[in-house]
Amino acid sequence: DGGITQSPKYLFRKEGQNVTLSCEQNLNHDAMYWYRQDPGQGLRLIYYSQIVNDFQKGDIAEGYSVSREKKESFPLTVTSAQKNPTAFYLCASSKDRTPSYEQYFGPGTRLTVT
Amino acid sequence: AQSVTQPDIHITVSEGASLELRCNYSYGATPYLFWYVQSPGQGLQLLLKYFSGDTLVQGIKGFEAEFKRSQSSFNLRKPSVHWSDAAEYFCAVTGGGNKLTFGTGTQLKVEL
Repeated sequence: DGGITQSPKYLFRKEGQNVTLSCEQNLNHDAMYWYRQDPGQGLRLIYYSQIVNDFQKGDIAEGYSVSREKKESFPLTVTSAQKNPTAFYLCASSKDRTPSYEQYFGPGTRLTVT
Repeated sequence: AQSVTQPDIHITVSEGASLELRCNYSYGATPYLFWYVQSPGQGLQLLLKYFSGDTLVQGIKGFEAEFKRSQSSFNLRKPSVHWSDAAEYFCAVTGGGNKLTFGTGTQLKVEL
């Protein structure tokens, strides 16, 4: 079955450490996205990529970095510069950037930094 | 800039009762509108979407939504709620690109 895989489901880190969240899709989608979800704030876009080797900042990119070396993979690194990294992170993909193509979401990774 | 307002943070309905979740958007041109549902600790699942044409759209799980341009609204409805519908619901909007702007969500509780 096609879908989006995010691992791990729960992640714990000490403050000051960088951490990388995995996102893999086998839907053959060109576009991929990272969102951050906090209680009562909905989803906010961190980064998105519309094609391999290209990505753009979203609304809250500070303290995060991404890469898109393969079509299937879009890992997100939460750096020590991110002031409040504890959150639920969701990866999504869509066939391309055309808005008529829906975004499919992975199950999410809950990151806790102490 | 586009924006979405979901005025109800929490809603409680009895099983079998009808449901309406409100969504108001702000966008200068014709928007693309979506409703997603999220179960606790899970990703989002698309319920329905509106791009153009018929302003009443049907989705999965018996949900429908009506686009009203004059009111800048895209309210989600279901005639009879099931206990399994308890979840968080998000309205989202985009213009010509693929950057979705989400509302803050409405948490639905279903009383048996």
